[in-house]
Amino acid sequence: DIQMTQSPSSLSASVGDRVTITCRASQTIKRYLNWYQRKPGKAPKLLIYAASTLQSGVPSRFSGTGSGTDFTLTISSLQPEDFASYYCQQSFNTYSFGQGTKLEI
Amino acid sequence: QLQLQESGPALVKPSETLSLFCTVSGGPISNGNDSWAWIRQPPGKGLEWIGTIYYSGSLHYNPSLKSRLTISVDTPNNQFSLRLTSATAADTAMYYCVRHLIAADGPYNWFDPWGQGTLVTVSS
Repeated sequence: DIQMTQSPSSLSASVGDRVTITCRASQTIKRYLNWYQRKPGKAPKLLIYAASTLQSGVPSRFSGTGSGTDFTLTISSLQPEDFASYYCQQSFNTYSFGQGTKLEI
Repeated sequence: QLQLQESGPALVKPSETLSLFCTVSGGPISNGNDSWAWIRQPPGKGLEWIGTIYYSGSLHYNPSLKSRLTISVDTPNNQFSLRLTSATAADTAMYYCVRHLIAADGPYNWFDPWGQGTLVTVSS
């Protein structure tokens, strides 16, 4: 099984901040890495797939980089609606998720 | 715009079967391209992929659940379903139904969209 480790598990930030969340795979997953956002009471939302491709409709302040085992999700300038939980997910070998990063004010 | 909505009992007794349905609206469930999956998150734990039924009809189940699991599609009702037999407290979780998309030009794949989720508690 491929284990996905996100860091940090929680993060305090302010509107306008640049924020980076890291996801590490226990073995290479090439670029089979997706990022999701989840807000309380709402359906999780796909942000980025294949490591760096922005899903249609997702603001350009979100970006993803990485390949192999190390990946990052960056929010260039935090907006109030970005305070949520973020999850990475690998689709290289079956499917597994990181434990999540809670982004708080 | 495709939308998914989970439905089913919120409370299941131990040893009984946990059954959930996902109603797909905004498009046909059997369009030859889309696959469908279930994902869950137990309280205080991470997200866990349960299984996928591919557009070809083939099934891919989480090995840890395979012996108890059935995922199927009901095309006339535009629904797909989850059946998990012999439920235990460990099956208590928020259950999400999702479309499992596979890129047309390669093996990349992802889950989108998701339903809002339904909380199922296994307890007597």
